[in-house]
Amino acid sequence: ELKVEQNPLFLSMQEGKNYTIYCNYSTTSDRLYWYRQDPGKSLESLFVLLSNGAVKQEGRLMASLDTKARLSTLHITAAVHDLSATYFCAATLQGTYKYIFGTGTRLKVLA
Amino acid sequence: EPEVTQTPSHQVTQMGQEVILRCVPISNHLYFYWYRQILGQKVEFLVSFYNNEISEKSEIFDDQFSVERPDGSNFTLKIRSTKLEDSAMYFCATLQGTGTEAFFGQGTRLTVV
Repeated sequence: ELKVEQNPLFLSMQEGKNYTIYCNYSTTSDRLYWYRQDPGKSLESLFVLLSNGAVKQEGRLMASLDTKARLSTLHITAAVHDLSATYFCAATLQGTYKYIFGTGTRLKVLA
Repeated sequence: EPEVTQTPSHQVTQMGQEVILRCVPISNHLYFYWYRQILGQKVEFLVSFYNNEISEKSEIFDDQFSVERPDGSNFTLKIRSTKLEDSAMYFCATLQGTGTEAFFGQGTRLTVV
């Protein structure tokens, strides 16, 4: 059974600082996704990581995937208040399209 | 930009009543899903639907739940006899195919009283 864990669960950081959110998954997965969710809103796709060593960047966010370690990271560079949200990673089992979501990381960027 | 549309945005229902949540997928997408998110918790998989049949379902998706795509466009989730613990945000998601990401609708907040 595929399990996905994220840490930290809560992250409060100052504007301008850097931080990393970690996403571990328990069995082989061929796809890893990052989503952002604002309070009461839907899930917005941020990144799709399809292969080992994949790295994608959008603005102040950069995601990477290490399939050997079963680890994905979401790195935040020089955080700004607008990045405050909950970030979820999700993985799929090989051969399926069922997304298993992590617990989410609630990020709060303080001015 | 194409989007997944869900109706209603909020539904309040009495315990024991039936509810139907509706989703209009993106037109060329082939895979359809329902997920739910209890307030403050993670997003949980309920069911996946492909080629007009259920391809996978979770243990949450018991006999009280059903899905169908009756007219080739709307994708519905029916809960036959709602319980208090069914209160959650329900998300529909659709996927075009391999290597692409799922697009999520804006959700239906179901409140069972």
